[in-house]
Amino acid sequence: NAGVMQNPRHLVRRRGQEARLRCSPMKGHSHVYWYRQLPEEGLKFMVYLQKENIIDESGMPKERFSAEFPKEGPSILRIQQVVRGDSAAYFCASSPHFDSDEQYFGPGTRLTVT
Amino acid sequence: AQKITQTQPGMFVQEKEAVTLDCTYDTSDPSYGLFWYKQPSSGEMIFLIYQGSYDQQNATEGRYSLNFQKARKSANLVISASQLGDSAMYFCAMRGQAGTALIFGKGTTLSVSS
Repeated sequence: NAGVMQNPRHLVRRRGQEARLRCSPMKGHSHVYWYRQLPEEGLKFMVYLQKENIIDESGMPKERFSAEFPKEGPSILRIQQVVRGDSAAYFCASSPHFDSDEQYFGPGTRLTVT
Repeated sequence: AQKITQTQPGMFVQEKEAVTLDCTYDTSDPSYGLFWYKQPSSGEMIFLIYQGSYDQQNATEGRYSLNFQKARKSANLVISASQLGDSAMYFCAMRGQAGTALIFGKGTTLSVSS
């Protein structure tokens, strides 16, 4: 019974390139949350998605960031034209239904922008 | 606005001793959940324990217990019989109404020495 999968685990991009982070939720989970952890900080919410729908994107920067969770396949967090300040660990978490008490976290993707 | 406060940047404890990690919260939601996560140096987020706001008893999971004081809005984590493997960053988190994301504190670094 696989947990939440994220890939890649480590990603290095030069300034101006695009970063694509993937998250496969646990089997049977249709709700995905993305969080960002800056160095020495706690996790900060970015976006909450259900299959084919963005439910809450109040934590997403207005520009360069987008997220999707298609009917088939993983959820994707896309960062265009990356800058050094985007360097962080990006975690996704999944839950089975809307009012589930727990969110199961993936291992994270560590993005380094050079 | 919801907020989680962890006032201890770092804590030190000897092996086999108990340690309490502090967490206070602020919310106007009548129903909410409180979580503790452990983040070892490898970076993954490990769920430890959960307390619902209407739960009558304090949550316990093995060596972890949550000292929930609703009137004081505190949800401290108690680790009994500390082990070297407990050395990690610990995050307190809260979820308000159903379907919302977790709000995290800044974390406490626990160091266990022999």
